[in-house]
Amino acid sequence: DIQVTQSPSSLSASVGDRVTITCRASQSISSSFNWYQQKAGKAPKLLIYAASSLQSGVPSRFSGSGSGTDFTLTISSLQPEDFATYYCQQSYSTPVTFGQGTKLEI
Amino acid sequence: EVQLVESGGGLVKPGGSLRLSCAASGFTFSNAWMSWVRQAPGKGLEWVGRIKSQTDGGTAEYAAPVKGRFTMSRDDSKNTLYLQTNSLKTDDTAVYYCTTWYSGSYFASDYWGQGTLVTVSS
Repeated sequence: DIQVTQSPSSLSASVGDRVTITCRASQSISSSFNWYQQKAGKAPKLLIYAASSLQSGVPSRFSGSGSGTDFTLTISSLQPEDFATYYCQQSYSTPVTFGQGTKLEI
Repeated sequence: EVQLVESGGGLVKPGGSLRLSCAASGFTFSNAWMSWVRQAPGKGLEWVGRIKSQTDGGTAEYAAPVKGRFTMSRDDSKNTLYLQTNSLKTDDTAVYYCTTWYSGSYFASDYWGQGTLVTVSS
């Protein structure tokens, strides 16, 4: 199984900050990597697919990069509505695996 | 508008069974691969399994913790996805989400239902 290690597990930031979350896969997975945002009590929402493609309707302040084993989600200028938990996911092979999550707090 | 609506959750004793349903609308369900993802209270996301479209073989794959106990199926005439859960354990307590998985371009959960809570407790 492919393991996905996400860091940090929590992050304190302020409105307007630039924030980066990273994930590492235990083996090379090309660009088969996705990012999700989850707000409390809600279903997750797809932000980025195929490592760097922005899902329709997602603000352009979100961006993804990476390939192989190392991937990054960047929020260029934090907005109040961005405070949530973020998960990464490898979709290269089954079983599909998620990172442990990053809780982004004020 | 794409909609996924789960139902069938509830309280069940260890060893019991539940059948979860996911009613889909707003897209061509028969062409879509679908998946289930669960989230235990206060924990992260865990992939449960996925099922291919009938055109692509209709086969399902499962995560190790549920393999042999859970069965995914689909009824394309009803635009409905199912998850039969048997031999339930307390560790299966979670919100279960139905998601789209693949519609021909990339593998990702584009759309999610609101989730249905399964509580396994004596």
